[in-house]
Amino acid sequence: EPEVTQTPSHQVTQMGQEVILRCVPISNHLYFYWYRQILGQKVEFLVSFYNNEISEKSEIFDDQFSVERPDGSNFTLKIRSTKLEDSAMYFCASSPPGPLGDEQFFGPGTRLTVL
Amino acid sequence: GQNIDQPTEMTATEGAIVQINCTYQTSGFNGLFWYQQHAGEAPTFLSYNVLDGLEEKGRFSSFLSRSKGYSYLLLKELQMKDSASYLCAVSSYSGNTPLVFGKGTRLSVIA
Repeated sequence: EPEVTQTPSHQVTQMGQEVILRCVPISNHLYFYWYRQILGQKVEFLVSFYNNEISEKSEIFDDQFSVERPDGSNFTLKIRSTKLEDSAMYFCASSPPGPLGDEQFFGPGTRLTVL
Repeated sequence: GQNIDQPTEMTATEGAIVQINCTYQTSGFNGLFWYQQHAGEAPTFLSYNVLDGLEEKGRFSSFLSRSKGYSYLLLKELQMKDSASYLCAVSSYSGNTPLVFGKGTRLSVIA
């Protein structure tokens, strides 16, 4: 069964450093998302992406964040200058076109630890 | 604004039935989702309701009342592996929109 994959599974970085989180969505999906979940808290939407551009973003997704689809398979989230409060689990999700489009399939997540 | 409420924790006995409630107040509504999340893992899709009524899928059923802004997830014949967090999430409008999640209900299944 096709699945969303994410790398790395765990990233440790120093405050102020840049990190890039990578995702490979399911191949025939057209809509991509990033969510984050701070330990013990709810899953929060960051950004959605369609047709090579951001379609929606939350208040959390400020200028330190960016997303990119550099090729036909990868979808990346970059955090330019990490802060302690960026420590969280980051989930990538994708959804197909058509009537089932609302169901989002989540990747296993990247646990980001900022020291 | 967006507000989704569900109980923080529940405990139930193996083999029993448990109902997890969710109430929502959102600016729009295009469907309600239930996801299961084991500790340290990704949410996995359980069910989707867009019309009022009950959707049954094996041991899991989900109910929706749009007029009351209310849903529940019913788990039957509980197994130890059902111990997990159950997340209620709402899609506010059609067209592949972001999901708004509740804080999740942590279910513990005991022998």
